[in-house]
Amino acid sequence: DVKVTQSSRYLVKRTGEKVFLECVQDMDHENMFWYRQDPGLGLRLIYFSYDVKMKEKGDIPEGYSVSREKKERFSLILESASTNQTSMYLCASRSGLAGGLYEQYFGPGTRLTVT
Amino acid sequence: AQSVTQLDSQVPVFEEAPVELRCNYSSSVSVYLFWYVQYPNQGLQLLLKYLSGSTLVKGINGFEAEFNKSQTSFHLRKPSVHISDTAEYFCAVTHMNTGFQKLVFGTGTRLLVSP
Repeated sequence: DVKVTQSSRYLVKRTGEKVFLECVQDMDHENMFWYRQDPGLGLRLIYFSYDVKMKEKGDIPEGYSVSREKKERFSLILESASTNQTSMYLCASRSGLAGGLYEQYFGPGTRLTVT
Repeated sequence: AQSVTQLDSQVPVFEEAPVELRCNYSSSVSVYLFWYVQYPNQGLQLLLKYLSGSTLVKGINGFEAEFNKSQTSFHLRKPSVHISDTAEYFCAVTHMNTGFQKLVFGTGTRLLVSP
């Protein structure tokens, strides 16, 4: 069974703090993704990575950065958290073979509240 | 622009009744189509997917979906729902263009099954 784990289920941070969200997958997948989920907006892609040390901006990268130093781990960084970054964050991974043919496997999510 | 539309944000239904959740997409290239389900406090998991071949696709938990190319739709159906089907359902599309193939999600439909 593919397993994608996220470091925290719930996180409360103050405005201006630096926030790290960690994601680990155990299926040797090449592709990893970070999404944020907001009511009425669905899932929006923040960043993705197609290989170690490789990263690409998604649809809403502003205010975020990422790091992929090892194949199994993909970190999302909020350099200076703001209240409009309060959201559910979902990590996913996917086999890199055959492009979009394969499904994405999701972690349980981290609900981040910025006060 | 390539997009996915889920017109119904919420669908209330009684237990054992049939249900259809609607999904329409727009694309200038061929697509792969997916339905994901998110149970309360969990990440997303794949219900079913259409890649090619038969337009009627069967998934887990008794769900099925039909790909209609002329109407650019991929509606999800279940003939008899259970209380446990209460969840949020996301339609998603991957466009078979060149380059990295990403999932584009709809805004989701919340299915509320009551006794």
